[in-house]
Amino acid sequence: AQSVSQHNHHVILSEAASLELGCNYSYGGTVNLFWYVQYPGQHLQLLLKYFSGDPLVKGIKGFEAEFIKSKFSFNLRKPSVQWSDTAEYFCAVNRYGGSQGNLIFGKGTKLSVKP
Amino acid sequence: KAGVTQTPRYLIKTRGQQVTLSCSPISGHRSVSWYQQTPGQGLQFLFEYFSETQRNKGNFPGRFSGRQFSNSRSEMNVSTLELGDSALYLCASSLGRGDTEAFFGQGTRLTVV
Repeated sequence: AQSVSQHNHHVILSEAASLELGCNYSYGGTVNLFWYVQYPGQHLQLLLKYFSGDPLVKGIKGFEAEFIKSKFSFNLRKPSVQWSDTAEYFCAVNRYGGSQGNLIFGKGTKLSVKP
Repeated sequence: KAGVTQTPRYLIKTRGQQVTLSCSPISGHRSVSWYQQTPGQGLQFLFEYFSETQRNKGNFPGRFSGRQFSNSRSEMNVSTLELGDSALYLCASSLGRGDTEAFFGQGTRLTVV
């Protein structure tokens, strides 16, 4: 069965610390990969996406993610977090060429950044 | 441009009742998807509609149904509500092609008592 695993349920960091959130997927076939963010009280927003090409993807607000096909991973990174990055982060996958309307999400990682 | 609008934002229903949730997509978007978000299960895909046709369906019982109108607005219906149906229901809209972004609404918080 298709699934997405996010390793950390809750991560607490101080401002300026580096961030890496793990994401592994199980999916038969070529995939599209996404990271979404949900700030407190706001709707889900797309941070970045990978369809093909360069496995290092840059997104908004200084976030990046690396697709490692051999490890079925798509980890999210940011060199220096800010208090405003406090949010819940979701990794998602769908079939390559498939509609973005049919996404399989991980259970999310809550990030708390201490000022 | 206006985002995805979901109504109502909050709803309290009694077990056994039915409920209808509404989603207005971004203008020009033809694909509308629905997701259920709970603390235990996270975000789970319910179904996707494109040009009034159900294109994909998740693993939910038949009590969960939906439809899409010619103006792309979508409704989701849950019949014979159970306590476990309490969740945040999210709607997402997109142009419908695989390479386009899905935009999410703020959701409808359904509480079943």
